[in-house]
Amino acid sequence: AQSVTQPDIHITVSEGASLELRCNYSYGATPYLFWYVQSPGQGLQLLLKYFSGDTLVQGIKGFEAEFKRSQSSFNLRKPSVHWSDAAEYFCAVGGDDKIIFGKGTRLHILP
Amino acid sequence: DAGVIQSPRHEVTEMGQEVTLRCKPISGHDYLFWYRQTMMRGLELLIYFNNNVPIDDSGMPEDRFSAKMPNASFSTLKIQPSEPRDSAVYFCASSLGSTFTDTQYFGPGTRLTVL
Repeated sequence: AQSVTQPDIHITVSEGASLELRCNYSYGATPYLFWYVQSPGQGLQLLLKYFSGDTLVQGIKGFEAEFKRSQSSFNLRKPSVHWSDAAEYFCAVGGDDKIIFGKGTRLHILP
Repeated sequence: DAGVIQSPRHEVTEMGQEVTLRCKPISGHDYLFWYRQTMMRGLELLIYFNNNVPIDDSGMPEDRFSAKMPNASFSTLKIQPSEPRDSAVYFCASSLGSTFTDTQYFGPGTRLTVL
């Protein structure tokens, strides 16, 4: 079955610390992979996406993600988080006929 | 561009009432999507349109839900009659190109509460 798993519902990190949000997927065909961010009261905004090429993808706001086919993972990273990064993050996998979103990881930032 | 516009931002209604949610996609985008977000089920695709034509409504939960797109700049999602379990945040999104491989641009959502 096709699915996206974000194993961490909540993550808390201190401002300035590094961040890694995990995402694992199951998809039969070659997937398009996305990370979206949702700030409180807002819609989702694309951070980055991957389809092919370099497996390390750079996105907006200093985020990057690495595609690891062998692990079916697409983890999101940031070397140093800012208080404004507090939000909910969604991993998604898309193809020709559907898109599946993970349940999201809520990021809390400690001052 | 103003982005995807949704109205109302908040809607509180009583069980059994008709609810209509509205969406204006980004000009020039060919695809329009309606999603529902709940704590329990996360973000679910309800229906999507390509060039104003409904392509897949398999995510619409029941016949009480209907969606239309009379022109390229307007879409509605209607619930009639509404039930408390319909309480959720409903998002509209649009994209320029390929169905689920292109970037989707989301509106701010409509928070629906059915009492």
